[in-house]
Amino acid sequence: AQKVTQAQTEISVVEKEDVTLDCVYETRDTTYYLFWYKQPPSGELVFLIRRNSFDEQNEISGRYSWNFQKSTSSFNFTITASQVVDSAVYFCASQGGSEKLVFGKGTKLTVNP
Amino acid sequence: DTGVSQDPRHKITKRGQNVTFRCDPISEHNRLYWYRQTLGQGPEFLTYFQNEAQLEKSRLLSDRFSAERPKGSFSTLEIQRTEQGDSAMYLCASSPPFASYEQYFGPGTRLTVT
Repeated sequence: AQKVTQAQTEISVVEKEDVTLDCVYETRDTTYYLFWYKQPPSGELVFLIRRNSFDEQNEISGRYSWNFQKSTSSFNFTITASQVVDSAVYFCASQGGSEKLVFGKGTKLTVNP
Repeated sequence: DTGVSQDPRHKITKRGQNVTFRCDPISEHNRLYWYRQTLGQGPEFLTYFQNEAQLEKSRLLSDRFSAERPKGSFSTLEIQRTEQGDSAMYLCASSPPFASYEQYFGPGTRLTVT
């Protein structure tokens, strides 16, 4: 069974600060995918990134970066120079041998001006 | 190309009533998924279809819940004899053939049971 833990329930930062959202996963599958989704107040889940278990390269996309470490079963997400528009709930998710995505409980990020 | 659409966006019903939600996936996506999200939690998987076949159901899907995808296109999720614990956001997602890791989510249907 897959399990995703996001220990940070809420984070509050001031605009332009860097912030890292933690994600720890558990799986018995040798092949799996990890995801990050953003859920703004409107409620729709917005896909941010997908990584497969064979690709541990870190990725950077603009102000966003992701650090995947199999040794610690972590897939952390960093926002550099945060902006008010980054305020949302962020979910980490995994997918292994099944079709279903398994989500963490989410981290609510508030970026204050 | 339009995204996944769901109807209605909001539904308020009284306990004991039946409700039905509709999901229209992205065209040519043969996989369709239903998830439920309660307040303060992440989405939880309910069921999924490949074409018209329902291939997996979560234990969360009690006997009061039924999902269909009769022609392999849109899907409906019905809840019979609603309970206050059914209040949640019901999310639909679809994915293209051979790419279940690409799940595109709709805006959700928020159900409130009074």
